Amino acid sequence: DAKTTQPPSMDCAEGRAANLPCNHSTISGNEYVYWYRQIHSQGPQYIIHGLKNNETNEMASLIITEDRKSSTLILPHATLRDTAVYYCIVRGDTGNTPLVFGKGTRLSVIA
Amino acid sequence: DTGVSQDPRHKITKRGQNVTFRCDPISEHNRLYWYRQTLGQGPEFLTYFQNEAQLEKSRLLSDRFSAERPKGSFSTLEIQRTEQGDSAMYLCASSFSWGQGHNLAQFFGPGTRLTVL
Repeated sequence: DAKTTQPPSMDCAEGRAANLPCNHSTISGNEYVYWYRQIHSQGPQYIIHGLKNNETNEMASLIITEDRKSSTLILPHATLRDTAVYYCIVRGDTGNTPLVFGKGTRLSVIA
Repeated sequence: DTGVSQDPRHKITKRGQNVTFRCDPISEHNRLYWYRQTLGQGPEFLTYFQNEAQLEKSRLLSDRFSAERPKGSFSTLEIQRTEQGDSAMYLCASSFSWGQGHNLAQFFGPGTRLTVL
């Protein structure tokens, strides 16, 4: 079973920041938080991952709370092409564990 | 394009037929994963390989399913005697891992959509 909880859906106005929350209250010390998104009928796309420090790349920023029990994915300037299902996944650092997807958050970016 | 590729993208078959899908991972990636995704659900893990060795299989992988990665490069997933319940998107992903604490993200292919009539 997925170890994360996400809202089923969210809306965001085009050009505004999209803030997608994720709860992972049972996360262990060696587990990372990964974010993927899936645009309709395509394979999941890797966005970002982190352990305990905030992370930023060209796609998004990941903010992880100090107790690591929750995180927020931030898309700074959402566009219509960011409409997708966003998955927050907790995964160990052994490299042996497959990804366990929940149902994710369906983000709709509105013009 | 140096991403993960899958072939075919779509497959329609009749119940009882055998089907085979192919996945070509990113060239330097030593791990290859297969997932299945049904409508409205997130992808579910099926199996994965480290080089040519199949290291883990999910309970979802019934006896009718077999996967191979003979030379540690491309992989095939075969479903024998297909059933309507096998209709799904079959996703392949690859990653590079050089041991505990040193693994990188999995990158997914576009998937093969199977429809069993």
